[in-house]
Amino acid sequence: GESVGLHLPTLSVQEGDNSIINCAYSNSASDYFIWYKQESGKGPQFIIDIRSNMDKRQGQRVTVLLNKTVKHLSLQIAATQPGDSAVYFCAETGQGGKLIFGQGTELSVKP
Amino acid sequence: KAGVTQTPRYLIKTRGQQVTLSCSPISGHRSVSWYQQTPGQGLQFLFEYFSETQRNKGNFPGRFSGRQFSNSRSEMNVSTLELGDSALYLCASSIQEFTEAFFGQGTRLTVV
Repeated sequence: GESVGLHLPTLSVQEGDNSIINCAYSNSASDYFIWYKQESGKGPQFIIDIRSNMDKRQGQRVTVLLNKTVKHLSLQIAATQPGDSAVYFCAETGQGGKLIFGQGTELSVKP
Repeated sequence: KAGVTQTPRYLIKTRGQQVTLSCSPISGHRSVSWYQQTPGQGLQFLFEYFSETQRNKGNFPGRFSGRQFSNSRSEMNVSTLELGDSALYLCASSIQEFTEAFFGQGTRLTVV
């Protein structure tokens, strides 16, 4: 079946360090991926997206890398701040554009 | 511009009752999707509507249904509620499929 899985359920980093959150996806035909951040009590917040014709995309303090050969996606957060503490989800677009979410990684930033 | 608005934010219902949740998408967005989020199952796709037509449906029983109006606002309905329907129900809107999808705050449904 379709699935997107995250390698690490929790990640703890020191403030100011860089964070890397990984994700594996199973459908090699997927061509659009999104990273979301979800804070407690809130809906998922769009962070960055990438299409399959790209390997890398950069935003403000965030970079998404896509390795289609091994079906791997990663989110890099530079100079991680306490406000970055949240659960991060990768999502792959399946049939009809529906989002297939990974289980999520909880990022904890220590001051 | 205003984001995705979901109402109500919280609901408590009794087993066997039915419930209707509402979602107002971002202005100009014609695609509305619904997701159920639970600690055990994570985020799961319920259905997607575009221009009042359901284009895609997830693996949920027929008790879960939805609709979209001509102004793109959407509602989802759950009939004959079960305890396991307790979850955060999230609505997302996008201009079209395979584009940025923005989520609302969700409706927290508790079935007792």
